[in-house]
Amino acid sequence: GQQLNQSPQSMFIQEGEDVSMNCTSSSIFNTWLWYKQEPGEGPVLLIALYKAGELTSNGRLTAQFGITRKDSFLNISASIPSDVGIYFCAGFLYNNNDMRFGAGTRLTVKP
Amino acid sequence: DTEVTQTPKHLVMGMTNKKSLKCEQHMGHRAMYWYKQKAKKPPELMFVYSYEKLSINESVPSRFSPECPNSSLLNLHLHALQPEDSALYLCASSQVNLGFTDTQYFGPGTRLTVL
Repeated sequence: GQQLNQSPQSMFIQEGEDVSMNCTSSSIFNTWLWYKQEPGEGPVLLIALYKAGELTSNGRLTAQFGITRKDSFLNISASIPSDVGIYFCAGFLYNNNDMRFGAGTRLTVKP
Repeated sequence: DTEVTQTPKHLVMGMTNKKSLKCEQHMGHRAMYWYKQKAKKPPELMFVYSYEKLSINESVPSRFSPECPNSSLLNLHLHALQPEDSALYLCASSQVNLGFTDTQYFGPGTRLTVL
């Protein structure tokens, strides 16, 4: 099945810094999703991307669906301590109920 | 409202016990999912229900038995589990458009410990 490569695996940044993470795939997807998960909780949807080239923002978060449909990135601007968590990318094809996840990026923000 | 609820929040059970996990959504979603997540790993798909019918079973052992009594509820019945089954069990739901599933929304999970 399709494999998602997510990088970096972890990030340690200072409060106020910008963050960038990305996912690539060997196969195309119709939809790219970005989730954030905090310890002991379920993943929370941050941004959903449905169209190649689409650039979408949600507050300090911006994500883009790559033109080739094989990649996506997530940027967080001016990070704050509550941004701490694991960020997962996920992709799926409409005609396949199987959504694939990246391995996650663990973000630590130092005050 | 994009809320998926799961009960219980935590569950500790012995290997001979029978227990059930419950999931509920009232968003009118017609696809519901069970995932298993181990620490520091992404969620792994176990089962998919579409219109209350099982559409995907990812070769999950028979000691896990899913049930979808109606379009809002999803259960996972547990019997004779092993300690390695300890994990966070996540439920998710999504809309179904023209036969295809859409963005998934997750519940908070049930932390299961098997002794």
